Amino acid sequence: GQQVMQIPQYQHVQEGEDFTTYCNSSTTLSNIQWYKQRPGGHPVFLIQLVKSGEVKKQKRLTFQFGEAKKNSSLHITATQTTDVGTYFCAAQIIQTGANNLFFGTGTRLTVIP
Amino acid sequence: DGGITQSPKYLFRKEGQNVTLSCEQNLNHDAMYWYRQDPGQGLRLIYYSQIVNDFQKGDIAEGYSVSREKKESFPLTVTSAQKNPTAFYLCASSHVMRVPYNEQFFGPGTRLTVL
Repeated sequence: GQQVMQIPQYQHVQEGEDFTTYCNSSTTLSNIQWYKQRPGGHPVFLIQLVKSGEVKKQKRLTFQFGEAKKNSSLHITATQTTDVGTYFCAAQIIQTGANNLFFGTGTRLTVIP
Repeated sequence: DGGITQSPKYLFRKEGQNVTLSCEQNLNHDAMYWYRQDPGQGLRLIYYSQIVNDFQKGDIAEGYSVSREKKESFPLTVTSAQKNPTAFYLCASSHVMRVPYNEQFFGPGTRLTVL
């Protein structure tokens, strides 16, 4: 079954509005990574979170890792048309004992100019 | 210019034929991966390899085969046993797999269509 759930699947926003995507797991995550895939492109690494409660910022992007290490979020402030794409979380799950990354289903962001 | 290359970008095959997708990296990464991407399902791991001459099955290995004879290369064969092979295939690489996980670098992908 799906180890990492991501919501929403789609999000349409007006340019300038904020956007948030959420990643959740029923099990504890070792760490979580976020990737962005532009339309027609391939996933590109954005950031990795490792510590409980960790918050990292990249310009208008804010990434959070939950205190229980079971969820994460990506928030974009004042979206721009260049933010268009699909955002994926990817996590390594402690209980599996494996080194694989489990990818969420992604959130496709559309920004309306 | 370092990176990962996949060829071809688009591939068409008749049903029942095996097809091999290439993946080459010059990043000196030890680990390489193959993912399949279908609409609305994110990325699913097919096979991965941590070192030369060794590889492991991922979540959806049935109907696929791989080899890792060289550090730089990790070709994927989609066999006729794969029931629904039409998809976007992504190859990735990273430094040796460890916790915390190293970022993965993705190739441009191959879109396979089986007619």
